[in-house]
Amino acid sequence: DTEVTQTPKHLVMGMTNKKSLKCEQHMGHRAMYWYKQKAKKPPELMFVYSYEKLSINESVPSRFSPECPNSSLLNLHLHALQPEDSALYLCASSQRDRGQETQYFGPGTRLLVL
Amino acid sequence: AQSVTQPDIHITVSEGASLELRCNYSYGATPYLFWYVQSPGQGLQLLQKYFSGDTLVQGIKGFEAEFKRSQSSFNLRKPSVHWSDAAEYFCAVAPPDFGNEKLTFGTGTRLTIIP
Repeated sequence: DTEVTQTPKHLVMGMTNKKSLKCEQHMGHRAMYWYKQKAKKPPELMFVYSYEKLSINESVPSRFSPECPNSSLLNLHLHALQPEDSALYLCASSQRDRGQETQYFGPGTRLLVL
Repeated sequence: AQSVTQPDIHITVSEGASLELRCNYSYGATPYLFWYVQSPGQGLQLLQKYFSGDTLVQGIKGFEAEFKRSQSSFNLRKPSVHWSDAAEYFCAVAPPDFGNEKLTFGTGTRLTIIP
């Protein structure tokens, strides 16, 4: 089973709102990721958590705040977003196979910022 | 720096015809290689991965991929496509360093299937 779940599926928010995206995996994966994907583009890495600690931040603006409360759960807190932040937000988790991580993606949250 | 090139932005294939999607990479050593598929509005599903060993790897949904070191390529093939294969296909690479989590994606190839 390689299922990563994400909620909500769709989210509409105003620029002054605070909202959160949630991601869960129950596969015992050690690493979890947030990606942002604009239409007709490949995913762009935002954050990586390894063993519940932030290991990579790809210079993401502070209006995006990740949190990893435990090994199965990853949140992305959103505050004061801009319309250009509208995108598909993908979560992934990974397991090590012969020394290399294989990433498995969730279905994504479609975010619209008005 | 590593890079991935998918030369074909859009491919149209008749249902039942064969398919080949191209992927070329640039890296000092042989990276780890992946193919993902994304249906409209959906997440990415892993189709193929290659770390080492046999150069022809079988994946899910009837796809196979062939690694060619001499050509720095990892092309995806399917002998007979189905309408449900219409989607965006991404090739991705990761450095062959232990614990390195960064994937570099190609720009994607959009596959259209015509009846």
